[in-house]
Amino acid sequence: EAGVVQSPRYKIIEKKQPVAFWCNPISGHNTLYWYRQNLGQGPELLIRYENEEAVDDSQLPKDRFSAERLKGVDSTLKIQPAELGDSAVYLCASSFSGVSTYEQYFGPGTRLTVT
Amino acid sequence: DQQVKQNSPSLSVQEGRISILNCDYTNSMFDYFLWYKKYPAEGPTFLISISSIKDKNEDGRFTVFLNKSAKHLSLHIVPSQPGDSAVYFCAASWAGSYQLTFGKGTKLSVIP
Repeated sequence: EAGVVQSPRYKIIEKKQPVAFWCNPISGHNTLYWYRQNLGQGPELLIRYENEEAVDDSQLPKDRFSAERLKGVDSTLKIQPAELGDSAVYLCASSFSGVSTYEQYFGPGTRLTVT
Repeated sequence: DQQVKQNSPSLSVQEGRISILNCDYTNSMFDYFLWYKKYPAEGPTFLISISSIKDKNEDGRFTVFLNKSAKHLSLHIVPSQPGDSAVYFCAASWAGSYQLTFGKGTKLSVIP
């Protein structure tokens, strides 16, 4: 079974530029999460989707970050414009609600460097 | 305010010996705890979990112990192998919440 797929794996941009990350969750997983992991820290939740609906986006910086999950499968996270402090690893995770809802399966992440 | 704390940034253990990774939490609402393992350039991988109704859960070489009164859990790896070298994250959640709160991680190095 394929795991969570993310692209790109690495991205280097200049500040004030836009950037987008893509995630394809595990087939059948209806819950999708975007996390940000700063250096030396654990992952921190940005947004959670149940199917197409963003049910928890309280920690998403909405002035510059946006996300969508069309058709309840793939998801895109966008930053516009990027700031130096946005340099981090952006992780996507998925889970199937109703069984072991606590166990989330992570993708390899996108390492973003803003210069 | 960190709700899940892993106070040891790193740990070195000889191959074949026991590795003990510790985690403390402050939020009394947490009732489910997980350990994730992360290799460089990969995402975290689920390792083992424990519900607050238990005080021990075992899976092969990995055992997690939970002490609710002390708000402390630990992960034991016996025997430790070089392939266990990774960063281990402790995470916590509570009933009705789908959010995992992670610690900062402990880097385990198993020396051959």
